[in-house]
This record gives sequence, structure tokens and C-alpha cells, in this order.
Amino acid sequence: AQSVSQHNHHVILSEAASLELGCNYSYGGTVNLFWYVQYPGQHLQLLLKYFSGDPLVKGIKGFEAEFIKSKFSFNLRKPSVQWSDTAEYFCAVNPGGGADGLTFGKGTHLIIQP
Amino acid sequence: EPEVTQTPSHQVTQMGQEVILRCVPISNHLYFYWYRQILGQKVEFLVSFYNNEISEKSEIFDDQFSVERPDGSNFTLKIRSTKLEDSAMYFCASTGQGGGKIYEQYFGPGTRLTVT
Repeated sequence: AQSVSQHNHHVILSEAASLELGCNYSYGGTVNLFWYVQYPGQHLQLLLKYFSGDPLVKGIKGFEAEFIKSKFSFNLRKPSVQWSDTAEYFCAVNPGGGADGLTFGKGTHLIIQP
Repeated sequence: EPEVTQTPSHQVTQMGQEVILRCVPISNHLYFYWYRQILGQKVEFLVSFYNNEISEKSEIFDDQFSVERPDGSNFTLKIRSTKLEDSAMYFCASTGQGGGKIYEQYFGPGTRLTVT
């Protein structure tokens, strides 16, 4: 079975700081990788996804993530965060077929201080 | 933009009672899912549903749980006899056509179930 680790459970940054949230997964085969965001009081929304091709993927709101197969990692980055990025961020994977249930990491609670 | 909707937003029930959580997936989607998130813990997959049958389920999805698509729009999760540890946020999700093409899963706002 696959598993997902998110290393930082709570991150506090100032506005304009750069962000990198770590995500490592464990699975022997082809995986699809996702980052979801949950803003306070809202539902899970997809930030970006990787299925194949260019390992550097760009998502909404200036986020990007890089898939490094050798490290089983899919870290989320943003060069300059804003106060509105305060949210819970979840890394998730599912196996190659694409319609299987997602395995989520525990999430990272990001707080951006103005 | 089409959305997944869930009702009710909050359900309080007594231990041992049956509850039904309702979801309306996005209309042209074919795969449907239930997840749960116990307070302070990660989102966990419960079950996926395709072509009117369960396609995958986790260890959590035991005989107390069942899913149904009673008509062309609703997708329900039934817990037969609730336990205190069933208290959680339950999320419904749906995704588009299969056929080897991969789509993102769209999540509903969740139903907070409180078992007392």
C-alpha cells in the first residue's frame, strides 16, 4: 500500500517569504501526485497535479511542484507567499490508473503573517 | 463552475443510530468517492464507486458502512449503527470519465458527523 509523508505540520512565514513544503511518498509503481489546499471554512481544492511528462508542474495561484522520482518526492513551492495563502495543504497520491482512492499526507498548516 | 454538494453540513446523532450522508456529484462524472477526516488527523479514503458498484474500499469501510446511488444524481453513505469513533468530517468526491484518462477528484464541502 502507498503512504505519504509531509514533514512540516505547522509552518509560519511572513508575507513575501519563499515557501517549500515537503512531500514524500512510498509506492513501488507508477503514481499520480496531487497537492490540495483547504482554505479556512472551505472545501479541498486542487492546486496542481502530476501524471507524467515534465516533472515541474505549475498550478494555480503561483504554486509549483517538482516530482523527483529518485527521491520519491513532490515538494510544493511558491516564491513569494501572501497572507491569503494561509490554509491547510495536503499532498496526495494514487496509483497509475488514476481513478483509485487518494492516499493523503497529514497536511501542513501554513500561517502567513502580514 | 460545477460543484459537488453535500447535505447536511452537520449531523448530530446518538450512538447506535443509523445515519445517511448525502452527496450530489458533478453531473457528468462517473467515479464517486467517500473520505473521512477525524479531527486532527489526515483525510482517509473509505470507498470508491463506479458503474453502480464498489470498485475499491479501505479497511475502514467495514460492514457498518454502505454506499448507494439511488437515482441519477445522489450518492449516499450509510452508517448502520454509529459509534463514537465515527465522529469525523465526511467528504464526498467525484471525477470524470475513465478510459485511461486521469482526472482530478473534486471534493464537496463535507458533512461533520458528531456521534454522542
